[in-house]
Amino acid sequence: SQQGEEDPQALSIQEGENATMNCSYKTSINNLQWYRQNSGRGLVHLILIRSNEREKHSGRLRVTLDTSKKSSSLLITASRAADTASYFCATDSSASKIIFGSGTRLSIRP
Amino acid sequence: DAGITQSPRHKVTETGTPVTLRCHQTENHRYMYWYRQDPGHGLRLIHYSYGVKDTDKGEVSDGYSVSRSKTEDFLLTLESATSSQTSVYFCAISDTGLGNTIYFGEGSWLTVV
Repeated sequence: SQQGEEDPQALSIQEGENATMNCSYKTSINNLQWYRQNSGRGLVHLILIRSNEREKHSGRLRVTLDTSKKSSSLLITASRAADTASYFCATDSSASKIIFGSGTRLSIRP
Repeated sequence: DAGITQSPRHKVTETGTPVTLRCHQTENHRYMYWYRQDPGHGLRLIHYSYGVKDTDKGEVSDGYSVSRSKTEDFLLTLESATSSQTSVYFCAISDTGLGNTIYFGEGSWLTVV
């Protein structure tokens, strides 16, 4: 079974709005990462947050981690059409097994 | 882009035939991974390698085997392809495994008819 599960499965917003995606996981983790995938392409790393961190920023991205709730959120501010993609969280807990969730499909309407 | 090359990029094969997918990296990274991606399931780990000749199973390893005889190459073999193995297969690499960014190849689209 998947370690990470993203919510919602699909999200459609207007350009310029903020997009928030959530990830929940089941077991203790060392790190949580967010990746982006454009249609027909491989995944691209966005940001990593360690288990002892609560929030991290990178450009228009903001990631939070709540280990007590076993959840993380990815916020994309001031969305652009180019942000249209699928977003995945990935967790690693042991033995170098990095497990991905099923993803959130984000569509940005012009 | 990370130096990862997957081959073939597209393949159609018949049920029961063996298929080998190749992943080649030029980054000298220690860890290599094979994932499959299917609608509704996201990416699922098939096998991974933490060094030459060192491999381990992932979530969905049944029907697959791997080999890593050189740092740069990681082969995924479907011993007898089935229609349920129709999928997109992604190779990924990582320098130190846990806690580090993993870099993905562009994917291999496999159709088993």
